[in-house]
Amino acid sequence: KAGVTQTPRYLIKTRGQQVTLSCSPISGHRSVSWYQQTPGQGLQFLFEYFSETQRNKGNFPGRFSGRQFSNSRSEMNVSTLELGDSALYLCASSSGQYTDTQYFGPGTRLTVL
Amino acid sequence: SQQGEEDPQALSIQEGENATMNCSYKTSINNLQWYRQNSGRGLVHLILIRSNEREKHSGRLRVTLDTSKKSSSLLITASRAADTASYFCATDGGGTQGGSEKLVFGKGTKLTVNP
Repeated sequence: KAGVTQTPRYLIKTRGQQVTLSCSPISGHRSVSWYQQTPGQGLQFLFEYFSETQRNKGNFPGRFSGRQFSNSRSEMNVSTLELGDSALYLCASSSGQYTDTQYFGPGTRLTVL
Repeated sequence: SQQGEEDPQALSIQEGENATMNCSYKTSINNLQWYRQNSGRGLVHLILIRSNEREKHSGRLRVTLDTSKKSSSLLITASRAADTASYFCATDGGGTQGGSEKLVFGKGTKLTVNP
């Protein structure tokens, strides 16, 4: 099976702009989770979508949003970008069972100038 | 907030030696997972150990779990230069229903294996 794919791999934006990141899960997986990784805060959970519904949400401001499509692909949007949003954004897919393994994509490196 | 805390933060060893990393966590769990990350890339899943398991092996990896102490260890035997990476433990929320896909990660152990 093909792994989790994320596009784009690298992105440079300026403050105030918005950005959309995309994640395609492993075929058959219905759950997609998003994480932000920064040197200071480490890996932090953003949100999880299962069958097009947000099922879990981390402690991030409303500027961070997401959605999932019927084919399980997911997008994450960040509006009004801030310098502190510069990070590696990782998505992970799983079957959606709470005891199941999560498989991560290569990440999108976002730089906000 | 970070639930898993890895120890040590950094570890440098020679090829052929064993590397041991420890992880402590705070709340009850259903399972604990270990991941590897090479220099700013995606996370590679290494092994998952369930709360009712005490030890698990996968190739050169050995993971132990002590739920009474809320701790886990990852042992890499006969290390290779290619094992150089950051290693993270991740715990789930310990829920009993679907929806506990939120993994809580520690800050990781940076392992350097010198040739």
